[in-house]
Amino acid sequence: AQTVTQSQPEMSVQEAETVTLSCTYDTSESDYYLFWYKQPPSRQMILVIRQEAYKQQNATENRFSVNFQKAAKSFSLKISDSQLGDAAMYFCAYSAEYGNKLVFGAGTILRVKS
Amino acid sequence: GAVVSQHPSWVICKSGTSVKIECRSLDFQATTMFWYRQFPKQSLMLMATSNEGSKATYEQGVEKDKFLINHASLTLSTLTVTSAHPEDSSFYICSARDHELAERTQYFGPGTRLLVL
Repeated sequence: AQTVTQSQPEMSVQEAETVTLSCTYDTSESDYYLFWYKQPPSRQMILVIRQEAYKQQNATENRFSVNFQKAAKSFSLKISDSQLGDAAMYFCAYSAEYGNKLVFGAGTILRVKS
Repeated sequence: GAVVSQHPSWVICKSGTSVKIECRSLDFQATTMFWYRQFPKQSLMLMATSNEGSKATYEQGVEKDKFLINHASLTLSTLTVTSAHPEDSSFYICSARDHELAERTQYFGPGTRLLVL
């Protein structure tokens, strides 16, 4: 069974600084999708970024980028120029190519200090 | 695009009553919708996968007769918590996939907070 591990229960970053959230996963599949979702205090889940495993190029979305290391099964999220609005719970998630389910990590609470 | 709504956002009910939660995809068609449960400061726990026109697939440990799921159209899935008890109090979230897209992205509703007294 696939598993997703987020080893950092909480992280803090100073406003305007950069922070990296870690995620590792375990799978025997070769094709799959990886996601980072953000859940602010409103509890609305928001898609931050998506990575297809067959793509070697790391995904980027404005201030958000990932470091996808397929051999190491690592998928970290880098947030540049952190803003107060980035404060939230961040979830790493995995989805198999031929499946529907999302497997979530335990989440990382990100605090942004002004 | 890719907006999912949930109704109601908040519900308080008495123990023993049933509560229905609606999940709608507003600007896309979703052959598959998902229902999650989340406790405070914890991750999402998948309860069931809802497929349009067929029976839902429940995760291990989730009572089918307790949590009734109906996916009657490509834009609507409902979760009914039958004979609710205080231990059913939680935050329930639905998500939906756009069936026209090959990607596996799930778009989430805003969630429903259920409090059973």
